[in-house]
Amino acid sequence: DGGITQSPKYLFRKEGQNVTLSCEQNLNHDAMYWYRQDPGQGLRLIYYSQIVNDFQKGDIAEGYSVSREKKESFPLTVTSAQKNPTAFYLCASSNDRQANYGYTFGSGTRLTVV
Amino acid sequence: GNSVTQMEGPVTLSEEAFLTINCTYTATGYPSLFWYVQYPGEGLQLLLKATKADDKGSNKGFEATYRKETTSFHLEKGSVQVSDSAVYFCALSDQGGANNLFFGTGTRLTVIP
Repeated sequence: DGGITQSPKYLFRKEGQNVTLSCEQNLNHDAMYWYRQDPGQGLRLIYYSQIVNDFQKGDIAEGYSVSREKKESFPLTVTSAQKNPTAFYLCASSNDRQANYGYTFGSGTRLTVV
Repeated sequence: GNSVTQMEGPVTLSEEAFLTINCTYTATGYPSLFWYVQYPGEGLQLLLKATKADDKGSNKGFEATYRKETTSFHLEKGSVQVSDSAVYFCALSDQGGANNLFFGTGTRLTVIP
């Protein structure tokens, strides 16, 4: 079955460390997205990519970086510059030519700073 | 610009009660509208959608009608179950080319037996 796989499900980071969250999709979708979810604040867009080798900043890109070297993969790096990284991170994808169908989401990665 | 406003939660209902979660939107064009559901510890799942005015989306007993005149897309279910306990997100698509979804803040529903 097609879908989006996020790994790991839980991740712990020490202060000052960079960590990378994986997101892989086998839906042949053009566009991929990263969201951050904090309690009571809904979803906030970090980065998105509509085509390989291209990506744009979302609303809260500071302290994060991404790459899109393959259509299937859109990893997110949380850098030491992100001062409050503890959150639930969601990856999503969509077929850019069928925006009416919304997004498909992964099951999320919960990042905790220890 | 584009935005979505959802009713504040949390909402607590008894099993078999009627559910309404209000959602209103602001959009520059003619967006598609969505309801997503998030169960504890999981990602979001598409619950239903509507792509044009007066369309009704439905799934698993939930319904929502795209009302252009009131810019609303309220979620309803006639008889909720304990298994419906989750967070519900209303969203609209930006048809202007960026293909982004704009989400509301979510409404937590708890159904008690």
